[in-house]
Amino acid sequence: EVQLVESGGGLVQPGRSLRLSCAASGFTFDDYAMHWVRQAPGKGLEWVSGISWNSGASGYADSLRGRFTISRDNAKNTLYLVMNSLRIEDTALYYCARGSVKVDPNYPVHWGQGTLVTVSS
Amino acid sequence: EIVLTQSPGTLSLSPGERATLSCRASQSVSRNYVAWFQQKPGQAPRLLIYDASSRATGIPDRFSGSGSGTDFTLTINRLEPEDFAVYYCQQYGSSPETFGQGTKVEIK
Repeated sequence: EVQLVESGGGLVQPGRSLRLSCAASGFTFDDYAMHWVRQAPGKGLEWVSGISWNSGASGYADSLRGRFTISRDNAKNTLYLVMNSLRIEDTALYYCARGSVKVDPNYPVHWGQGTLVTVSS
Repeated sequence: EIVLTQSPGTLSLSPGERATLSCRASQSVSRNYVAWFQQKPGQAPRLLIYDASSRATGIPDRFSGSGSGTDFTLTINRLEPEDFAVYYCQQYGSSPETFGQGTKVEIK
């Protein structure tokens, strides 16, 4: 069974940084691309970032470029998202999702339950 | 960036009726790379449809997707009580990938 468990969320002040992690199990991690998708309270889904199986390619939402960095450690079956210069509008539930194949184009297939990031002073 | 506009915002229907949800893209989606997701309150999204018209594993055949270019549709035949939820379309044909704002299907 595919399992994705996000962690690292919490309350953080504006301007600070945070690193999210996603521990994957139940599948061969380096056979798939991975994604981060977020959802602000009461709002819709927003794709944040994606990374190919071997970290050779990555992409970001236009509004986030330069502040967030996605990475993965295939030896640890873990996906990361480093978020710098956090803003109040970054407050959201952050989902980790497994892609459909190794590289783009691919779509999120399996989703974790999310980790909540709250940016507030 | 491709902007996806979903309509209507809310669809009020009764169990047994057909739901037709629209997703319109601001420019043509490469190779019709459109997916549809269902989300219920307090739950993670669930993949329903990929490549515009292919059903994901385990999805009932009352769910179907169609469309090409800039216009895509999710149809739910004979609504079941468990189908009342929010539905999102997503394009993954070009980066950045983008989602529509969602359509809520509620019980009339």
